[in-house]
Amino acid sequence: AQSVAQPEDQVNVAEGNPLTVKCTYSVSGNPYLFWYVQYPNRGLQFLLKYITGDNLVKGSYGFEAEFNKSQTSFHLKKPSALVSDSALYFCAVRGGADGLTFGKGTHLIIQP
Amino acid sequence: DGGITQSPKYLFRKEGQNVTLSCEQNLNHDAMYWYRQDPGQGLRLIYYSQIVNDFQKGDIAEGYSVSREKKESFPLTVTSAQKNPTAFYLCASSIVGSPYEQYFGPGTRLTVT
Repeated sequence: AQSVAQPEDQVNVAEGNPLTVKCTYSVSGNPYLFWYVQYPNRGLQFLLKYITGDNLVKGSYGFEAEFNKSQTSFHLKKPSALVSDSALYFCAVRGGADGLTFGKGTHLIIQP
Repeated sequence: DGGITQSPKYLFRKEGQNVTLSCEQNLNHDAMYWYRQDPGQGLRLIYYSQIVNDFQKGDIAEGYSVSREKKESFPLTVTSAQKNPTAFYLCASSIVGSPYEQYFGPGTRLTVT
């Protein structure tokens, strides 16, 4: 069975600084990895995904993620944080025909 | 929130009553999903369907039921057998196949008292 771990419940970053939200995964076979963002009382919005190819994946709103097979990680990054990036971020993995397996989420707080 | 609608946004029910949450999509996706979100627990899969008239249990299907009579619609019924029904419920859809991302609706917050 696949699983995802987001080791940080909350990440605090000053506006303009680079940010990283961590994610590690466990899956048999090829991992299909996803990042989603959720604003309060809203559904999830897709940010980016890794299927195969380049280990650095670029997505929406200036976010990118680095796939590292040896460390089984898929960390979300952004070079310069904005206050509007403050939200709940979910990493997810899909290894089969059913739904995504989500991490517990990381609250990202960008301080002005 | 893409082409997925969920209604209502907020729903209140008395304990012991069944309640049905609506999910409709116009994305022409074959696959649809229901997740439950609780604080600090991420999202957990309740049911999913990859084709009309067929659906599968997810990780926490007990106390829930679904139907898939039309490609566009995947309603979820929260029955009185569900012990802790108060939660935020999210519907999603996708193209069938693992590499494809899922698109989510805006969610329904169910409160049972």
